[in-house]
Amino acid sequence: RKEVEQDPGPFNVPEGATVAFNCTYSNSASQSFFWYRQDCRKEPKLLMSVYSSGNEDGRFTAQLNRASQYISLLIRDSKLSDSATYLCVVNPTTGNNRLAFGKGNQVVVIP
Amino acid sequence: GAVVSQHPSWVICKSGTSVKIECRSLDFQATTMFWYRQFPKQSLMLMATSNEGSKATYEQGVEKDKFLINHASLTLSTLTVTSAHPEDSSFYICSARVRERQGHSGANVLTFGAGSRLTVL
Repeated sequence: RKEVEQDPGPFNVPEGATVAFNCTYSNSASQSFFWYRQDCRKEPKLLMSVYSSGNEDGRFTAQLNRASQYISLLIRDSKLSDSATYLCVVNPTTGNNRLAFGKGNQVVVIP
Repeated sequence: GAVVSQHPSWVICKSGTSVKIECRSLDFQATTMFWYRQFPKQSLMLMATSNEGSKATYEQGVEKDKFLINHASLTLSTLTVTSAHPEDSSFYICSARVRERQGHSGANVLTFGAGSRLTVL
């Protein structure tokens, strides 16, 4: 089983709609969780960290479900500029710098 | 915020030549930098961890003699792809840890360089 799994999509979303997707991780002892955004042919950029209590930043909401070992990202009122690949990143062990990356969820916002 | 500068952003070279990629931390010191490689529609794969003043730590399956890493100062790490071949064509990205300022996790997050797209003919 892969350390981090994501459904690559693409997720075609009408502008203004809401889209949500999950990312599952295999190591129950994982400590840190992040969502990164990667535009085509660009480097990943941190979108938000995912805390145990969840995290919300404007139109973006992230949740952590430790029991089922997944994190989620929800985008409300989708904008054309939200089109990108959203990478799920997990730190499998405490103090370890070896982060595990998912393949990403590709989101395409359609006018 | 913390910035990691990477160059060149793209390079095209002939098979058999060597290519050096530089990664600099501009407004902070990075004792550790990470080098990743990403093939189209694939995950970022960690190649090696670069440690200032000591040898890099390579991931399993990554040839250390082919991918030379030098981390001579607290702000500069370099990756040299020696005797590059077409199968080495990829997107190479460096990163450094930065303590998250916003929020309350205090977690170390990765800040990435802009990446270097290598095409070997």
